[in-house]
Amino acid sequence: ELKVEQNPLFLSMQEGKNYTIYCNYSTTSDRLYWYRQDPGKSLESLFVLLSNGAVKQEGRLMASLDTKARLSTLHITAAVHDLSATYFCAVDAGNQFYFGTGTSLTVIP
Amino acid sequence: NAGVTQTPKFRILKIGQSMTLQCTQDMNHNYMYWYRQDPGMGLKLIYYSVGAGITDKGEVPNGYNVSRSTTEDFPLRLELAAPSQTSVYFCASRGRGPDGYTFGSGTRLTVV
Repeated sequence: ELKVEQNPLFLSMQEGKNYTIYCNYSTTSDRLYWYRQDPGKSLESLFVLLSNGAVKQEGRLMASLDTKARLSTLHITAAVHDLSATYFCAVDAGNQFYFGTGTSLTVIP
Repeated sequence: NAGVTQTPKFRILKIGQSMTLQCTQDMNHNYMYWYRQDPGMGLKLIYYSVGAGITDKGEVPNGYNVSRSTTEDFPLRLELAAPSQTSVYFCASRGRGPDGYTFGSGTRLTVV
């Protein structure tokens, strides 16, 4: 079974600071996805990474994929309060995705 | 497009009761999924389907049943509800291309 590990599980950061969330997975896959979940809400798609070296950016968030290292990163630049949410990575294993445990991000003013 | 529609949004069940959670998608997606999410936790796959007439177990199938008679619908049946089934249930779908899952808005179920 494919294992997907995210770290950290909890992240509290000050507004204006930078930080990176890591997503490691245990088997070969060329497709990785990032989702955002606000409290009490469903999951919303953030990024779709489809090949080694893929980099996507949206606002203060940038995601990258290194399939050889089996690692994806979600980098937060100059955090703002609106980014407070739980972030999940998910690895495409064919018939299903395997989700990471999630990173709960709180941005403190 | 409505995307993935789940009903009901909230439900309280008594122990031993049964119910069906409905999930419908209008994107002609082949793949459909049911996940549960316990408070503060990640997603656990209950059942999935790769097309009409085909279903398969996920990580936590016990106490649940599914059917996929059409491409659009993927209902989840709870038989003999137990407090351990108190959770938020998400339905999701995806097509054969590279796009990821589209999630429904969720059903918050409490078993008392």
